[in-house]
Amino acid sequence: AQSVTQLGSHVSVSEGALVLLRCNYSSSVPPYLFWYVQYPNQGLQLLLKYTSAATLVKGINGFEAEFKKSETSFHLTKPSAHMSDAAEYFCAVSDARQLTFGSGTQLTVLP
Amino acid sequence: GAVVSQHPSWVICKSGTSVKIECRSLDFQATTMFWYRQFPKQSLMLMATSNEGSKATYEQGVEKDKFLINHASLTLSTLTVTSAHPEDSSFYICSAKKSTDTQYFGPGTRLTVL
Repeated sequence: AQSVTQLGSHVSVSEGALVLLRCNYSSSVPPYLFWYVQYPNQGLQLLLKYTSAATLVKGINGFEAEFKKSETSFHLTKPSAHMSDAAEYFCAVSDARQLTFGSGTQLTVLP
Repeated sequence: GAVVSQHPSWVICKSGTSVKIECRSLDFQATTMFWYRQFPKQSLMLMATSNEGSKATYEQGVEKDKFLINHASLTLSTLTVTSAHPEDSSFYICSAKKSTDTQYFGPGTRLTVL
């Protein structure tokens, strides 16, 4: 069984500030981990993925995430938020058969 | 690239009618496609896994006779909502698997049943 917990359903940051979106996972097998972004009324866009290579994963739009096995975490960060980063972010874990999503975090960027 | 399209992007239908939604992988072949449902302000819930040339595998609680899935080719899967009712109104998203680990998502279809 696998599960994902995203702490904080809503996160607000000022433009230019650090973005930190938290994700903890549970998996009975070595996990594949993903972050997706969803803009209103659109599908999901892959930001980055971890597949057992480097623990620090760099993605698109300046985002990165670090896989910490000891903490079972895969938090998403971006050094400087931009207004265009405002969206819903989903963390997901895969056992190679299916994806299990977290409940999502709505990111608001304040001017 | 890994582009997945869905058609239509939105549809309004009357209660009791059927609606077909198409999902296509445009630049890669996908042996496996997935159908998700998303309610407002909620996460995605997997409805079914569709493998080319075989019957779809439905998640617990999803009515296979109501949500018909056909995966006729390596680039096309369809979801048909039969005898739609207002409670079927939702955002339906498909995805296609390009490799063993990554799913690429379509833009979604907004279904409204009157």
